[in-house]
Amino acid sequence: DTEVTQTPKHLVMGMTNKKSLKCEQHMGHRAMYWYKQKAKKPPELMFVYSYEKLSINESVPSRFSPECPNSSLLNLHLHALQPEDSALYLCASSQARGSSYNEQFFGPGTRLTVL
Amino acid sequence: AQKVTQAQTEISVVEKEDVTLDCVYETRDTTYYLFWYKQPPSGELVFLIRRNSFDEQNEISGRYSWNFQKSTSSFNFTITASQVVDSAVYFCALSEAGAYNTDKLIFGTGTRLQVFP
Repeated sequence: DTEVTQTPKHLVMGMTNKKSLKCEQHMGHRAMYWYKQKAKKPPELMFVYSYEKLSINESVPSRFSPECPNSSLLNLHLHALQPEDSALYLCASSQARGSSYNEQFFGPGTRLTVL
Repeated sequence: AQKVTQAQTEISVVEKEDVTLDCVYETRDTTYYLFWYKQPPSGELVFLIRRNSFDEQNEISGRYSWNFQKSTSSFNFTITASQVVDSAVYFCALSEAGAYNTDKLIFGTGTRLQVFP
């Protein structure tokens, strides 16, 4: 089962709202990722979790707060976002490095609009 | 610094034509991985292939083939007899060793392929 699921598919929020994006995988992967993708651009890495610990934060503003409750789940908590944060948010997972199979599998994304 | 260049921004072909998407990379690592992903209009990135730096064998999978040449730092992707369903944005990516046994993907800017009936 090579599937990463993300909810919700679409999200519209005001600048004062608090919302969360959810990601789940059941492939036994130990690395999980959040990416942000603006229109006509490649995905930009935001956060990486390895063995449920935050290993990379690409200088993301604190209004984005990641959480990894267990090895299958990854959340992204959103608070006081700006309109320029509107984008497609993609979650991915992979086996930890050291494995020959380090490709990242992506979810379908959450399309976020901040009003 | 690591970098991936996809010089073709957009390619348009008619169904059944062959099309090659170019990818040139830069890295100082001796061990690295290269990937191709497909992103259809629905938005999900679909993994197509992984190639490690020690394996220069070309690969064919159905209508897809990949040509990896370390001498020119290129990893090109050819679709034979293109179909409308091949219309998507294709990203080439390079993996960089990250902390705590994770990989950072360095993406190219993508090539938008449109296949017309």
